[in-house]
Amino acid sequence: QKEVEQNSGPLSVPEGAIASLNCTYSDRGSQSFFWYRQYSGKSPELIMSIYSNGDKEDGRFTAQLNKASQYVSLLIRDSQPSDSATYLCARGVYGNNRLAFGKGNQVVVIP
Amino acid sequence: DTEVTQTPKHLVMGMTNKKSLKCEQHMGHRAMYWYKQKAKKPPELMFVYSYEKLSINESVPSRFSPECPNSSLLNLHLHALQPEDSALYLCASSQDWRTEGYTFGSGTRLTVV
Repeated sequence: QKEVEQNSGPLSVPEGAIASLNCTYSDRGSQSFFWYRQYSGKSPELIMSIYSNGDKEDGRFTAQLNKASQYVSLLIRDSQPSDSATYLCARGVYGNNRLAFGKGNQVVVIP
Repeated sequence: DTEVTQTPKHLVMGMTNKKSLKCEQHMGHRAMYWYKQKAKKPPELMFVYSYEKLSINESVPSRFSPECPNSSLLNLHLHALQPEDSALYLCASSQDWRTEGYTFGSGTRLTVV
């Protein structure tokens, strides 16, 4: 079983709309989650980290962690064409310093 | 300085060549990593160095040889690679990864011919 699952296919959203991405996991141990943005041909860029249950907001981005249901999500408000990228969910388990990445979700913002 | 610098940005090598990838950071991070990323796939961990010592090797073939000469520098030595090793090689570093995650360099695009 993969460490983190991102199952949604490419996501197309109109400019100004909310893009919603989800990631599920199976291990209940102490861990942190990260959302990275990766433009085509570029390296991953950290946009959010979360390790406590609940919501964390940073500008137009909100990360949500629900430990009971074992999922982490990313909301992008007021989507802009510059948000068009692949978004990677990553998980790190405490005591084991190795971030494992989900397969990523491509987001396309349509002007 | 908040960057991880990787050189070269592009590398083309033959299957009999020996080459090295270089990664440098001056953020005082004590852990450094090598990842490999194929097109349209997520990054896959290869090696982890913690305090200049190799702590994780994800069963990487011996034709890839990592080296950490000091706390700021990480090398990946390449020898007798195969065309299927062509990929984007990413270096990353971290201090408190649990809250800050990893900082990635811009990568080296490797093509094996």
